[in-house]
Amino acid sequence: GEDVEQSLFLSVREGDSSVINCTYTDSSSTYLYWYKQEPGAGLQLLTYIFSNMDMKQDQRLTVLLNKKDKHLSLRIADTQTGDSAIYFCAESANAGGTSYGKLTFGQGTILTVHP
Amino acid sequence: DAGITQSPRHKVTETGTPVTLRCHQTENHRYMYWYRQDPGHGLRLIHYSYGVKDTDKGEVSDGYSVSRSKTEDFLLTLESATSSQTSVYFCAISGTGVGNTIYFGEGSWLTVV
Repeated sequence: GEDVEQSLFLSVREGDSSVINCTYTDSSSTYLYWYKQEPGAGLQLLTYIFSNMDMKQDQRLTVLLNKKDKHLSLRIADTQTGDSAIYFCAESANAGGTSYGKLTFGQGTILTVHP
Repeated sequence: DAGITQSPRHKVTETGTPVTLRCHQTENHRYMYWYRQDPGHGLRLIHYSYGVKDTDKGEVSDGYSVSRSKTEDFLLTLESATSSQTSVYFCAISGTGVGNTIYFGEGSWLTVV
């Protein structure tokens, strides 16, 4: 079955860039997502990328996709203490039918930002 | 915020008792999902619905049942709760678009003692 892997922890200093990495196994993955979860809260969709793209930028966030290596990364520029949270990578196979919300998640990366 | 309300938000129950979690949406989205979140596992899909009375199993469906009698409500039932079902449960909704239309509720914390 599908598998999504992430490193569990990342610690950075405020103002530095953060890079969170994710690998996936399903070659039919169509959409790849990054979600943010703050303590005691639900998941907030940060950004997503279609599998036919290799980069997407949205303000401080840059997503890079290497389809050949099945590797996805999320770069947060100028990381702030408010960015401290758990970040989940998720993938969805297929473009239609009932697959839109059938996501396979990684374990989550805990990002800690130090002042 | 997407119009998703989960209830109850927190519940403690005893082993062997039935529990029902409710997800209510005001977005009129067709698809609804129940996930559970456990440390080291991320989120895993329990059941999903692609329309009224249309439901199917996800990755970790054993011990759970669902019902959807109205577009806006998706119920998750633990017929006889076990300690392994202590978890945080998230409802999600999506429309017929992709990517940015997948929204999650705030979660329901369930403890089975």
